[in-house]
Amino acid sequence: GENVEQHPSTLSVQEGDSAVIKCTYSDSASNYFPWYKQELGKRPQLIIDIRSNVGEKKDQRIAVTLNKTAKHFSLHITETQPEDSAVYFCAAKRNNNDMRFGAGTRLTVKP
Amino acid sequence: EAQVTQNPRYLITVTGKKLTVTCSQNMNHEYMSWYRQDPGLGLRQIYYSMNVEVTDKGDVPEGYKVSRKEKRNFPLILESPSPNQTSLYFCASSLSTASYEQYFGPGTRLTVT
Repeated sequence: GENVEQHPSTLSVQEGDSAVIKCTYSDSASNYFPWYKQELGKRPQLIIDIRSNVGEKKDQRIAVTLNKTAKHFSLHITETQPEDSAVYFCAAKRNNNDMRFGAGTRLTVKP
Repeated sequence: EAQVTQNPRYLITVTGKKLTVTCSQNMNHEYMSWYRQDPGLGLRQIYYSMNVEVTDKGDVPEGYKVSRKEKRNFPLILESPSPNQTSLYFCASSLSTASYEQYFGPGTRLTVT
């Protein structure tokens, strides 16, 4: 089955710095890669996603890159702000529509 | 308001006592899914459903049942709960497949003693 590994498990940055979270997946048939943000005590919410026919996608301060050959994808947050502090989850979806999530990265942005 | 609702939000029960967690969405979504969230393990998919009467096992289906008799509802059934099913459970739905944004419910915190 699909395995999604996410690194690092915790990340602390100064406000204004960039943050990068990386994920690898094992099933080469995976074709959809979303990123979810979960604030403390809240439900996960989609922040950005990328499909397997695209190498990069950007939405304001957030970008995702996908390397299908190496089977890894990354989340990049620039100019971080305290409100970016949360747990971030990557995920990979296979053809049969099951979804596998990474274990999560707790991002702390220090003012 | 478009939303996914779950009930109950909190539940404490004893080993072996059957329980059902309900999930309902009002967005006419075809795809629905159940996840459990445990510290250090992220979100693990239990079951998912592509449409009415179509359900499939996810990553951790053991000890759970689901049904999809109506498009809007996707209940999670624990026939004989055990302490290792103590967890935070999320229901989610998306438009037609998992390749679209999943909207999560508020979560159900279950404790099995």
